Amino acid sequence: DAGVIQSPRHEVTEMGQEVTLRCKPISGHDYLFWYRQTMMRGLELLIYFNNNVPIDDSGMPEDRFSAKMPNASFSTLKIQPSEPRDSAVYFCASSLSASGSTQYFGPGTRLLVL
Amino acid sequence: GIQVEQSPPDLILQEGANSTLRCNFSDSVNNLQWFHQNPWGQLINLFYIPSGTKQNGRLSATTVATERYSLLYISSSQTTDSGVYFCAVPQAGTALIFGKGTTLSVSS
Repeated sequence: DAGVIQSPRHEVTEMGQEVTLRCKPISGHDYLFWYRQTMMRGLELLIYFNNNVPIDDSGMPEDRFSAKMPNASFSTLKIQPSEPRDSAVYFCASSLSASGSTQYFGPGTRLLVL
Repeated sequence: GIQVEQSPPDLILQEGANSTLRCNFSDSVNNLQWFHQNPWGQLINLFYIPSGTKQNGRLSATTVATERYSLLYISSSQTTDSGVYFCAVPQAGTALIFGKGTTLSVSS
């Protein structure tokens, strides 16, 4: 398998613009996670899905953030409008089951909002 | 929620030296993962180790679940081992909670 695929790898945008990050999980994995990494807060969960259904979005910072998983092989994380404080590395991860299996991480999307 | 603490926060080694990284967690867990974040930012799975000991080449890990800690051993360190090492445990059984990491610098 190609592993978890994320696009774009780098994104530079201006404040107020819409940003869409994409993720393709490993085939057959039932769980998909979005994490964000910043210097101040480290790695933290934003939202996760089980069988395409959002289960816990308590980590989503505010209404400007939204995530969808229309099918088992694709998920998006959207920020609208973007702000400079959203600058971070966004990781997508997937796993076969809940806590009893390894989570595999994609390469991340490095977002810079000017 | 569960707390994850890693030590030391920073480690500087000469090539060839051995090191031990520690991860303490505040509650019982059924999963623990060690990751290496390389200088390019990629998170690489090292071990899935809820208990016991595993080895992979120069790296090995031990988790003592009853005492709520895990250790990562790096032997004969190489410059390519540089980066940040994270341990992570599941919160409420699913999403991972990460420690702040140990930053390792290996010089030749």
